Amino acid sequence: QVRLQESGPGLVKPSETLSLTCSISNGSINNNYWSWIRQPPGRGLEWIGYIFYSGNTSYNPSLKSRVAMSLDTSKKQFSLKLKSVTTADTAVYYCARFPAANADWGQGTLVTVSS
Amino acid sequence: EIVLTQSPGTLSLSPGERATLSCRASQTVPTKFLAWYQQKPGQAPRLLMSHASTRATGTPDRFSGSGSGTDFTLTINALGPEDFALYYCLQYVNLPYTFGQGTKLEI
Repeated sequence: QVRLQESGPGLVKPSETLSLTCSISNGSINNNYWSWIRQPPGRGLEWIGYIFYSGNTSYNPSLKSRVAMSLDTSKKQFSLKLKSVTTADTAVYYCARFPAANADWGQGTLVTVSS
Repeated sequence: EIVLTQSPGTLSLSPGERATLSCRASQTVPTKFLAWYQQKPGQAPRLLMSHASTRATGTPDRFSGSGSGTDFTLTINALGPEDFALYYCLQYVNLPYTFGQGTKLEI
């Protein structure tokens, strides 16, 4: 089972860029899709986008203008950048090996947008 | 975008009873691309069911999934205290991938 661990600042100021990294262990970065999913406090789940191991990306249209994902195969990491954040971007952010039939998720990291 | 509508929003039952959770899609979703997740407070969602009806590793056999096309059901027989949680359906056939709004199963 692939293990995933999110890391990054827990507090971001409005209008700044949210940056998170997901570290992959116990598995290969190859031949997989790697996604970011978020969940605002007390609310449901929203798929942000994925990056394929080849580097191809697909983003949710609701966030597409502000999102960028990248991966570093040598470090077995992939990253999320979300620019021009507002308080509406406050959420628990999960990284996941997804889409996949037996998806693996990280434990999630809370990012709060506040001045 | 495929909209998934889960019902009911909240389901109040007692341990030992049967729970029936519904997920209705705005377009046809092949069973291969329909999953169910369970989420407990403070935890990440946990995959319960893939391919609409295939139990994930560690999912007890009191959980069963069924359905096709636009209507899917998650059934939990003989509820245990650990089953009271939030449940989400997910489709990943069309972009953007979407989740239902969730069903809260409460005592």
